[in-house]
Amino acid sequence: KAGVTQTPRYLIKTRGQQVTLSCSPISGHRSVSWYQQTPGQGLQFLFEYFSETQRNKGNFPGRFSGRQFSNSRSEMNVSTLELGDSALYLCASSLGSGGNQPQHFGDGTRLSIL
Amino acid sequence: QKEVEQDPGPLSVPEGAIVSLNCTYSNSAFQYFMWYRQYSRKGPELLMYTYSSGNKEDGRFTAQVDKSSKYISLFIRDSQPSDSATYLCARVGGNQFYFGTGTSLTVIP
Repeated sequence: KAGVTQTPRYLIKTRGQQVTLSCSPISGHRSVSWYQQTPGQGLQFLFEYFSETQRNKGNFPGRFSGRQFSNSRSEMNVSTLELGDSALYLCASSLGSGGNQPQHFGDGTRLSIL
Repeated sequence: QKEVEQDPGPLSVPEGAIVSLNCTYSNSAFQYFMWYRQYSRKGPELLMYTYSSGNKEDGRFTAQVDKSSKYISLFIRDSQPSDSATYLCARVGGNQFYFGTGTSLTVIP
């Protein structure tokens, strides 16, 4: 069974640009969550989508947004990029929402802002 | 106060040693607890998943949950160089996952 797939693996952008990251969950998983991982802060929750609806949202500015499609694939968008947005962005999928199923992670997209 | 506190290490042990990794959590409204292993340039990989107090064993790995002291531990027996990675603890509360910052482990051959 294929795991969680994230594309692209690496991205380099400049300040002020916008970026879209993609995540394909494990087949049959309907929940997709996004995290930002940095050395100092660890894994920080961005948002969760289930059946195309945002279920939970972390404490990030409105520049960070996401969506989920009918096939459970998800995209995350960051607008007006800032230097501090440089991080590893991880996507995780699970069978259901609400935490009663463990999350399985992709290998992430490494975003570097110049 | 963070939801989950984890000693970042780094932790260095000789091959064959027993490793103990620990986390504390602050909110009593816990639900589930997990341990993940993350190799360099890879995403976190689920190691253990438990929702009850006591021990859960899987091969060389044992997860321990002590709800009275809000303490969760991961023990690795007969540690191997391939165990060298960052270990993340996590708990689920209020339908959201909370992660520790990770402990870096190196097992020296």
